[in-house]
Amino acid sequence: GESVGLHLPTLSVQEGDNSIINCAYSNSASDYFIWYKQESGKGPQFIIDIRSNMDKRQGQRVTVLLNKTVKHLSLQIAATQPGDSAVYFCAETSSGTYKYIFGTGTRLKVLA
Amino acid sequence: GAVVSQHPSRVICKSGTSVKIECRSLDFQATTMFWYRQFPKQSLMLMATSNEGSKATYEQGVEKDKFLINHASLTLSTLTVTSAHPEDSSFYICSARSDISEAFFGQGTRLTVV
Repeated sequence: GESVGLHLPTLSVQEGDNSIINCAYSNSASDYFIWYKQESGKGPQFIIDIRSNMDKRQGQRVTVLLNKTVKHLSLQIAATQPGDSAVYFCAETSSGTYKYIFGTGTRLKVLA
Repeated sequence: GAVVSQHPSRVICKSGTSVKIECRSLDFQATTMFWYRQFPKQSLMLMATSNEGSKATYEQGVEKDKFLINHASLTLSTLTVTSAHPEDSSFYICSARSDISEAFFGQGTRLTVV
């Protein structure tokens, strides 16, 4: 079923530091995972994705790690900038349906 | 990436009236569209999945007579909130995908029922 959080946990980091945002997914059958960034009043913005046949994928300043054994996903943001401040959601799905189930989300605050 | 456009971005309506939200895929044919609802400081909750030319499939607990979904073409899906009440106030987001792509999200619609 859908994952709906009652509140958003917050991660505060100093500008220039690295950020690590974690997510536990629920369905062991999920084979496609995505990280989204959502700014206030806007729709989710794609950051990076990873398929279940990989355990790591790197983008520009971002890295996603997948641990299928413990159903854990993480997003690493290098040299965090003020513009990275937003809510970050992980989403899981199976490539057969593309019905995305979202995690509870984490608010990232970048401190100057 | 592909563009999904939602309209309107904000709408205020009176209790008892109906509101229609449009979701358009601008540069690809969307065989499947999804509608989500998001309450403040919460995650996105999937409401329904619609395939072009078929009836929508609603998630458990979502009233299909309350939230009417039409996916009449490969580029347009609509969500109509019927007889809206203040508790229907929320952020509604659509996403769309083609047969060969992942899903792309619209910018969302803020509905306020007064």
